[in-house]
Amino acid sequence: DVVMTQSPLSLPVTLGQPASISCRSSQSLVHSDGNTYLNWFQQRPGQSPRRLIYTVSNRDSGVPDRFSGSGSATDFTLKISRVEAEDVGVYYCMQRTHWPWTFGQGTKVEIK
Amino acid sequence: QITLKESGPTLVKPTQTLTLTCTFSGFSLSTSGVGVGWIRQPPGKALEWLALIYWDDDKRYSPSLKSRLTITKDTSRNQVVLTMTNMDPVDTATYHCVHNNLRNWGQGTLVSVSS
Repeated sequence: DVVMTQSPLSLPVTLGQPASISCRSSQSLVHSDGNTYLNWFQQRPGQSPRRLIYTVSNRDSGVPDRFSGSGSATDFTLKISRVEAEDVGVYYCMQRTHWPWTFGQGTKVEIK
Repeated sequence: QITLKESGPTLVKPTQTLTLTCTFSGFSLSTSGVGVGWIRQPPGKALEWLALIYWDDDKRYSPSLKSRLTITKDTSRNQVVLTMTNMDPVDTATYHCVHNNLRNWGQGTLVSVSS
């Protein structure tokens, strides 16, 4: 299985300040079709996960533009340009290049 | 509008078989490219893919759980069923069904395994 390693696992942030989460995969996520199937999800307390980003850097409809994704091959980043109170929750990266699709351990974002 | 909803027991005993049903609307599992999968999340822990079934009946299973899982679909009833045998307390989790677009999730159902 492809192991997805996130850091940090806990991220206290000040409102209005930026935040960054790293995700590394144990093997390249470049698919044979040329795409890199790396997604980011947000899970607010008591809710199901919500996808924010797909194929590394594409924002889903309705996702605020303060969220951005970047990276390539095995090294990926989710950035929040200015953290708002509603961003509190756990963030997961997930690859769907190789089966079984796998998630990172999650990064808990909380307000300082 | 796509919706998915999980149903099944909230409590099972160790060694029993769990059967979960995902009932969906807003799409057809006979449409090319469409799939429905199951993901679980133990309390306070990370997400884990279990199984996925596609419109053409292609099935994928988590290798570590493959011997215990069966996923089937009933296209006419808009349902996907997951069975997991030999349940153990470590299988206590919220079980979600998910469209393979990954945008649409069920609310999840908490299954506890205890005698």
